[in-house]
Amino acid sequence: EDQVTQSPEALRLQEGESSSLNCSYTVSGLRGLFWYRQDPGKGPEFLFTLYSAGEEKEKERLKATLTKKESFLHITAPKPEDSATYLCAVQGLTTSGTYKYIFGTGTRLKVLA
Amino acid sequence: GAVVSQHPSRVICKSGTSVKIECRSLDFQATTMFWYRQFPKQSLMLMATSNEGSKATYEQGVEKDKFLINHASLTLSTLTVTSAHPEDSSFYICSPTGGDTQYFGPGTRLTVL
Repeated sequence: EDQVTQSPEALRLQEGESSSLNCSYTVSGLRGLFWYRQDPGKGPEFLFTLYSAGEEKEKERLKATLTKKESFLHITAPKPEDSATYLCAVQGLTTSGTYKYIFGTGTRLKVLA
Repeated sequence: GAVVSQHPSRVICKSGTSVKIECRSLDFQATTMFWYRQFPKQSLMLMATSNEGSKATYEQGVEKDKFLINHASLTLSTLTVTSAHPEDSSFYICSPTGGDTQYFGPGTRLTVL
């Protein structure tokens, strides 16, 4: 069964304390893995797309990496404004040949000043 | 990224009434529209997928007669919750998609009394 699991569920960091969020997945025909940031009461905001194992992408304090089974979102020297829920999603193929997106339950990050 | 709007952003209605939610992609032509539902502290749950001009495909457990989806153009899709009940209270998010690009609307908070 296709699924996406994110860990930890919640994470509290001190400002400047680097850490990593994990997204492990099993999916048929992986086409891409996506990271989003979601603030309370808002829709997800796109961060990264990763397509193949070994790929890495960076944006400011965030760096996403991908292996065949999981992805990590590394946060370097986080600031309070990085506090949000980070969602991981995979895009895979259905048996009918269409694409589907499967979301993880997210990691709620709180960065303390 | 594309600009996606949803209207209304918040709606409170009485049980038994119908509510229409509009999703517009202002500068992006969405060949596919995903509609998600998100309950508090949970991830996005896909409700249905629609391709422009075609009937929507609903996920298991989602009643197609209750959640009416119209995707008449590449820039507009609507979700109508018919005869809404308190258990339909949720955060509804549209996601216009084209190829590998997926955007999200800001969401609509529906509260059914």
